[in-house]
Amino acid sequence: KNQVEQSPQSLIILEGKNCTLQCNYTVSPFSNLRWYKQDTGRGPVSLTIMTFSENTKSNGRYTATLDADTKQSSLHITASQLSDSASYICVVSPTTGNQFYFGTGTSLTVIP
Amino acid sequence: DVKVTQSSRYLVKRTGEKVFLECVQDMDHENMFWYRQDPGLGLRLIYFSYDVKMKEKGDIPEGYSVSREKKERFSLILESASTNQTSMYLCASITDGTRTEAFFGQGTRLTVV
Repeated sequence: KNQVEQSPQSLIILEGKNCTLQCNYTVSPFSNLRWYKQDTGRGPVSLTIMTFSENTKSNGRYTATLDADTKQSSLHITASQLSDSASYICVVSPTTGNQFYFGTGTSLTVIP
Repeated sequence: DVKVTQSSRYLVKRTGEKVFLECVQDMDHENMFWYRQDPGLGLRLIYFSYDVKMKEKGDIPEGYSVSREKKERFSLILESASTNQTSMYLCASITDGTRTEAFFGQGTRLTVV
């Protein structure tokens, strides 16, 4: 069964600190993995995309890694800011069909 | 810039009402999806469409229908709204190819009372 699991479910960190969010998936055959950021009351916005051959991708203070062998991805946020408070969703696409498989997200709160 | 627009940010409807949620995209994408998002459950697929007048059921289609009369517009219809359809509804327009990306609208927070 194609599944995407994220951890932790929620996280609170101090402004300026780093954090890492995890995503494990069983989606097969794998095409790509995206991390989305969803601000409260808004639609998700793509942060990074990685295909099978890419194992790291950066977007400013966000760095995503992918291990296609173990089917794990992480999103590392450096020097967190209050505006990083949001839900982060891991989304995996298979090569067949147009389906997306969503994790339930990690809710990040950055406090001053 | 890519744009997906949902007709309402917030809606309050009564039980039994017929509800229309509209979504318009300006990217000429063929693929459009409707999801609902609930705490702890993530995004769940209701219906999707590959082309005009084409529709496919997602994981939770019961109580919903859709309409795609024009390529840019994909409508979600709640035939008779019920309280368990209170949720955040997200429309997505999706690119083709290997680096597929979903562009989301801002969401519609629907409350059924």
